[in-house]
Amino acid sequence: DGGITQSPKYLFRKEGQNVTLSCEQNLNHDAMYWYRQDPGQGLRLIYYSQIVNDFQKGDIAEGYSVSREKKESFPLTVTSAQKNPTAFYLCASSIGPGGHETQYFGPGTRLLVL
Amino acid sequence: KQEVTQIPAALSVPEGENLVLNCSFTDSAIYNLQWFRQDPGKGLTSLLLIQSSQREQTSGRLNASLDKSSGRSTLYIAASQPGDSATYLCAGAGSYQLTFGKGTKLSVIP
Repeated sequence: DGGITQSPKYLFRKEGQNVTLSCEQNLNHDAMYWYRQDPGQGLRLIYYSQIVNDFQKGDIAEGYSVSREKKESFPLTVTSAQKNPTAFYLCASSIGPGGHETQYFGPGTRLLVL
Repeated sequence: KQEVTQIPAALSVPEGENLVLNCSFTDSAIYNLQWFRQDPGKGLTSLLLIQSSQREQTSGRLNASLDKSSGRSTLYIAASQPGDSATYLCAGAGSYQLTFGKGTKLSVIP
């Protein structure tokens, strides 16, 4: 089955700890995205990547980092600099640039702070 | 900067009723307008994509329209079913990213 997988489903972060959220796609899509969703708010873009070894900051990139070493993988690290990390994190991909093509979403990772 | 608004925030209808969800956007220079469905605790499922040159798109009981000049899109759901209960989000597409509204939570009562 083609699709996007995210792991883990739930993640707990301790004070001062960096944590990494995994996102893998087997759709052969060039573009990948990370969004944050808070209750009562729409999705906000954290980072996006249009091609391997290239990525751009979105609207709320502070306290987050990404890498894109392989086409199918786009991991997100939530660093200790992100003071309010509790949220639902969604990864997405599209065959081409995000403004032109349908985006397909993974099932999400819920991050909680201990 | 693009802003997307969805009204109402929540809607409850009896089963079988036809309904319309509204989406408005401030920047008419969009590439397309996308509608998604989100079930509680899940990711988003793409429903319809309307290109900027199109007026509407249909998929089964769903019909989405786009009026760029007025900055509005609507999602029409015919003969609603309890399985349609979910949050519906619209998103305006710029060159590289989508800007999302906060969604309309739909409840279809049996």
